[in-house]
Amino acid sequence: EVQLLESGGGLVQPGGSLRLSCGASGFTFSSYAMTWVRQAPGKGLEWVSTIRDSGGSTYYAESVKGRFTISRDTSANTLYLHMNSLRAEDTAVYYCAKSLRSGWVLGLHYWGQGTLVTVSS
Amino acid sequence: QSVLTQPPSASGTPGQRVTISCSGSRSNIGNNGVNWYHQLPGTAPKLLIYSDNQRPSGVPDRFSGSKSGTSASLAISGLQSEDEADYYCATWDDSLNGHVVFGGGTKLTVL
Repeated sequence: EVQLLESGGGLVQPGGSLRLSCGASGFTFSSYAMTWVRQAPGKGLEWVSTIRDSGGSTYYAESVKGRFTISRDTSANTLYLHMNSLRAEDTAVYYCAKSLRSGWVLGLHYWGQGTLVTVSS
Repeated sequence: QSVLTQPPSASGTPGQRVTISCSGSRSNIGNNGVNWYHQLPGTAPKLLIYSDNQRPSGVPDRFSGSKSGTSASLAISGLQSEDEADYYCATWDDSLNGHVVFGGGTKLTVL
C-alpha cells in the first residue's frame, strides 16, 4: 500500500526557514517523480515544486523560485522541501504527492495527509 | 489569477448531469493531458481523471473528461449528494522551462 507521510510543519516567523519531509513507502521511490502542492486557508490548490525520479530535474512555481529547494533521499525514501525567506503568503497546508505512473509528473494519484505551515510573527 | 480558468461554482440536483469547464492555452491544455481532482473539506485531493479522459481504477464511470483545443471539461452524470466538493483541473505548461498549473477550482453544490 502506498503511503506518504508529511512532517515538519509548524509556526515560523517571517523571514525564517523550515524543512518539510515526506516519508514514502509501498512503492519504488526512486522510480517516481514527486511533487509538493500547497493550499492556503480557504483557497485553491497551488503547485509548488516537482522533482524527477532521478533527481536531476527540478521545477518550481514562480512564487517560490529562489526561496524553496526540493530534494530527495532515495536511500531514506524521503522527499524534502527546504523553505527559506518565508512570507505570510506561504502559510498553507503542504501536501506531497506521487504520480500514477513512473516517469509522469502529473496524474497525482497518491497524496499525503498534509502538514500545516504558518508564517506569522 | 490562475492560468487555467474554471467557473467558481456549479450546481445540480440529484440524478442530473453537470459539467465543469477548464480553459487554458496552447502551452498548457493545448499541448498536454489534463487531470481533474476533487477535494472534500479537510481532506487531500483525489485524482478523478488523467490524460484528458482516463479514470484511475475505483473512480465511477459517472465521471468523464473531454478536451477540445485549449479547453477541457469534466462531466458528472447521475449526480449524488456525495459529489458535493471542490473540483480542480491541472496540466503541465510548457512555458517558463515547464511547470504545473492548476485551475482556481469549482465548488459543486448538490441542491
